[in-house]
Amino acid sequence: GESVGLHLPTLSVQEGDNSIINCAYSNSASDYFIWYKQESGKGPQFIIDIRSNMDKRQGQRVTVLLNKTVKHLSLQIAATQPGDSAVYFCAEALNAGNNRKLIWGLGTSLAVNP
Amino acid sequence: DGGITQSPKYLFRKEGQNVTLSCEQNLNHDAMYWYRQDPGQGLRLIYYSQIVNDFQKGDIAEGYSVSREKKESFPLTVTSAQKNPTAFYLCASSWGGGSEAFFGQGTRLTVV
Repeated sequence: GESVGLHLPTLSVQEGDNSIINCAYSNSASDYFIWYKQESGKGPQFIIDIRSNMDKRQGQRVTVLLNKTVKHLSLQIAATQPGDSAVYFCAEALNAGNNRKLIWGLGTSLAVNP
Repeated sequence: DGGITQSPKYLFRKEGQNVTLSCEQNLNHDAMYWYRQDPGQGLRLIYYSQIVNDFQKGDIAEGYSVSREKKESFPLTVTSAQKNPTAFYLCASSWGGGSEAFFGQGTRLTVV
């Protein structure tokens, strides 16, 4: 039968505070990482990506940090707004035999309190 | 506008019936994917296709079937063998495996 997935961890922050969402990835050979945002009832949308030859990348109000030593990825959102409330997924890309694939993290639910 | 379109948005199925979910993309992507998402949970890969006329099972393929006869289309059939089909189904496409995936808006399937 099918395995039952784990329920998402939740992060609750006050509007205007900075948010940090963490992700532990599984494979030291992964060379590309992506963060997605999924609002309720919608498909995930790309936020920001980073390659393994970098340790930091900044976008508009978002920063991704990559620590390859401990296989850890984080997404920082500055001045969190109510519209940032969503589920955030990290994904890692690696080569698997002749294929290249994305492996998805569990996801973190971000709740922004007004 | 370029994008990926899933239809219908909501779908109701009686127990024992097969149902097909549509996924179309006009991004000229080679790879397409189907994921299942249960409430409060992450994405689980059902099937994926790297190229036309070829597809592979994902982590939870039992009770599902797909076809990839055209580059732009990757329909998913939920068969009566799927014991717990009620879920949110997401289709995605990308230039190739392991690159940025673009998602459709999902189909919520409910068995009644």
